[in-house]
Amino acid sequence: GAGVSQSPRYKVAKRGQDVALRCDPISGHVSLFWYQQALGQGPEFLTYFQNEAQLDKSGLPSDRFFAERPEGSVSTLKIQRTQQEDSAVYLCASSLVRDSSYEQYFGPGTRLTVT
Amino acid sequence: GDSVTQMEGPVTLSEEAFLTINCTYTATGYPSLFWYVQYPGEGLQLLLKATKADDKGSNKGFEATYRKETTSFHLEKGSVQVSDSAVYFCASPGTSYGKLTFGQGTILTVHP
Repeated sequence: GAGVSQSPRYKVAKRGQDVALRCDPISGHVSLFWYQQALGQGPEFLTYFQNEAQLDKSGLPSDRFFAERPEGSVSTLKIQRTQQEDSAVYLCASSLVRDSSYEQYFGPGTRLTVT
Repeated sequence: GDSVTQMEGPVTLSEEAFLTINCTYTATGYPSLFWYVQYPGEGLQLLLKATKADDKGSNKGFEATYRKETTSFHLEKGSVQVSDSAVYFCASPGTSYGKLTFGQGTILTVHP
């Protein structure tokens, strides 16, 4: 079946531009996560949704980062006034239920480069 | 807070060699542990998991045992193949809903 998809796969933005990154989770998955992966590092948590509710946004690095999942399926991560330090791969993952023992299914990521 | 530490530096092996990648963790609850793998050009995928102490996860010839006494979850494979070349991440959920804390990743390169 279809996995988690993300678009665009690659995004180049000039410093100061706004960007929007889309995630289509696996249909029916309750939990949705966003992670940021810097080059050569492990992914770091940004935010978590249970259905349409954003229950944890403790990992968002600044108020320039905003995420939403209005209908409990597709999610968008928006970065305003991008900075060079925002350059990273942004990963989306979904999980069937809200349970720490369940597998998270990852999308291919969006590689953001801020010039 | 929770943390996961993996062995430093890339690992380079010859085909059929024995593999160990060390992982240690600190966690206050929600004791599942995971190994994820990222093949070149692909997304992260679950390799194996263990949900409680003394559990052994296994998949594709890889194994890892959840050792509470040493807070470790080392990944092992008896005979690696070129196709195992990838980046391996140890991960632990720090909350009941599964927010993952990842190690820094270990690059494995297997030569024929």
